Amino acid sequence: AQKITQTQPGMFVQEKEAVTLDCTYDTSDQSYGLFWYKQPSSGEMIFLIYQGSYDEQNATEGRYSLNFQKARKSANLVISASQLGDSAMYFCAMRSAETSGSRLTFGEGTQLTVNP
Amino acid sequence: EPEVTQTPSHQVTQMGQEVILRCVPISNHLYFYWYRQILGQKVEFLVSFYNNEISEKSEIFDDQFSVERPDGSNFTLKIRSTKLEDSAMYFCANRDRNEQYFGPGTRLTVT
Repeated sequence: AQKITQTQPGMFVQEKEAVTLDCTYDTSDQSYGLFWYKQPSSGEMIFLIYQGSYDEQNATEGRYSLNFQKARKSANLVISASQLGDSAMYFCAMRSAETSGSRLTFGEGTQLTVNP
Repeated sequence: EPEVTQTPSHQVTQMGQEVILRCVPISNHLYFYWYRQILGQKVEFLVSFYNNEISEKSEIFDDQFSVERPDGSNFTLKIRSTKLEDSAMYFCANRDRNEQYFGPGTRLTVT
């Protein structure tokens, strides 16, 4: 069974500063993928970034980067130069590449608030 | 950029009624998913669909639920007899290689 743990129910950051959102995972699979999604108050789920378990380099997408530490089973999201529009719920998720359906398993989420 | 669309955006129904939630996936994506999110909780997997059949389903996806791709494009989730605890946001998602793209969701309210 797969499990995602996000230990920070809420985080606060000043505008223009960087923030790290924590995510740890548990799986016995060798091949898997890790995802981060943003959910603003309007409710949609916005895909941010993906990291494969065999990727040697940390994934980056604009201001988002994923700090992947495989031995520690962590996949923290780093948002650089925070903006007011980054205020939202952030979910970490994983997918096993070894199951037929490739479902996503989500964590509980972290509510990020960016202060002006 | 192509998007996943869902209709309706909000559905209110009475307990015991049938509802059908609709999704128009991104064309040429082969994997389809339904997830739900009860208010204030995390997103939960319901079912995955590939090659016109269910490839995986969760324990939530009981006999009250069914999925179809009736016309080769739309992808539907049917709840036969809704219960109060079915009130949630329902998301359709498509997969293209690694990424899963979510639709905007349908908020289902069962009264």
